[in-house]
Amino acid sequence: EAQVTQNPRYLITVTGKKLTVTCSQNMNHEYMSWYRQDPGLGLRQIYYSMNVEVTDKGDVPEGYKVSRKEKRNFPLILESPSPNQTSLYFCASRAGASGLYEQYFGPGTRLTVT
Amino acid sequence: GQQVMQIPQYQHVQEGEDFTTYCNSSTTLSNIQWYKQRPGGHPVFLIQLVKSGEVKKQKRLTFQFGEAKKNSSLHITATQTTDVGTYFCAGPIRNNDMRFGAGTRLTVKP
Repeated sequence: EAQVTQNPRYLITVTGKKLTVTCSQNMNHEYMSWYRQDPGLGLRQIYYSMNVEVTDKGDVPEGYKVSRKEKRNFPLILESPSPNQTSLYFCASRAGASGLYEQYFGPGTRLTVT
Repeated sequence: GQQVMQIPQYQHVQEGEDFTTYCNSSTTLSNIQWYKQRPGGHPVFLIQLVKSGEVKKQKRLTFQFGEAKKNSSLHITATQTTDVGTYFCAGPIRNNDMRFGAGTRLTVKP
């Protein structure tokens, strides 16, 4: 089954404790991205990757890091989480860089930083 | 910067009533996509519009892309409880990154 998986689905952590949210897709997609969803603000892109070893900032990259060492995986790293990073996070992938491809979203990770 | 604006933010309807959400971009879009997110779920792709003035239908859902390719709408005829969720439009901006509208949250009273 074609899918995007994320782990963990829920996470409560404390300020400053480094964490990683994993994302994996089994569709051999080139393009992957991370979004955060906050009430009234919709989905805002954090980082994206057009292919292995190619990543770039989205609209809200501050406080986040990503890596793309393998095509299927695109982890999101919060090196020193802060309460304003409490949010619902979605990983997404699409076949290629073109905006004409539909995006497939993971199930989401709800992060709470206290 | 480039913006994709969506209204209304919320819409509550009685089952059987119609519903419309509107999406406007500050710039011309090459295409626009619509997604639906059920409560507690993740966004799921519904449809894509590419041509100026394009109209597409999916059962009770009608999608339109404006002539200037700067606005779009989603209209649901005779809403059902299964239509509940948040509807997002999204258009490509720089480097083909998709910018999402803030979404319209639809609730339906049986």
